[in-house]
Amino acid sequence: QVQLQESGPGLVKPSQTLSLTCTVSGGSISSGDYYWSWIRQPPGKGLEWIGYIYYSGSTYYNPSLKSRVTISVDTSKNQFSLKLSSVTAADTAVYYCASWPAGDAFDIWGQGTMVTVSS
Amino acid sequence: EIVLTQSPGTLSLSPGERATLSCRASQSVSSSYLAWYQQKPGQAPRLLIYGASSRATGIPDRFSGSGSGTDFTLTISRLEPEDFAVYYCQQYGSFPLTFGGGTKVEIK
Repeated sequence: QVQLQESGPGLVKPSQTLSLTCTVSGGSISSGDYYWSWIRQPPGKGLEWIGYIYYSGSTYYNPSLKSRVTISVDTSKNQFSLKLSSVTAADTAVYYCASWPAGDAFDIWGQGTMVTVSS
Repeated sequence: EIVLTQSPGTLSLSPGERATLSCRASQSVSSSYLAWYQQKPGQAPRLLIYGASSRATGIPDRFSGSGSGTDFTLTISRLEPEDFAVYYCQQYGSFPLTFGGGTKVEIK
């Protein structure tokens, strides 16, 4: 059974870059079965899809964040990562990584990690 | 972008009652690529329904989904104490993937 675990700093200063990693266990990120996604949820609010990466490196980003987002994959470590640049307080949220089987819904989620943007 | 509007915002019901949650899309959701998730405080969302009407693994049969095109419904036939939570719909038929704003099912 695939499991996902997010990691990274819980506090980022305004204008800096938020960096998070999702470690995949119980399966191979290179299996080709999933698109690996990032999703976020500001405190008390709804969910926003950030983007996905396939093991080959192909990506798709939400246009609302596209200019600031980079998602990368490291198949040797079975990890994928998120970078969000020029952060502001509006980027404060719980960030989730999730697996997205092609043509299906987000079936497995990490526990989420809270990132606060504050000086 | 497909905008998903969920109603009502809050549903106040008692255990044993039936819950009916609505999700309306701003344009047709292709191939009924519509999912429902349950989220409890401090937890990640859990997939309940995919493909508008298929239950995910391990989901009790009191949860059912229906609908197509722009109108979708999640029904909980008899509310159990553990069902009081926030429910989100999500479309994965076109980019960007989008979520509804959520419906909170609270104990009356």
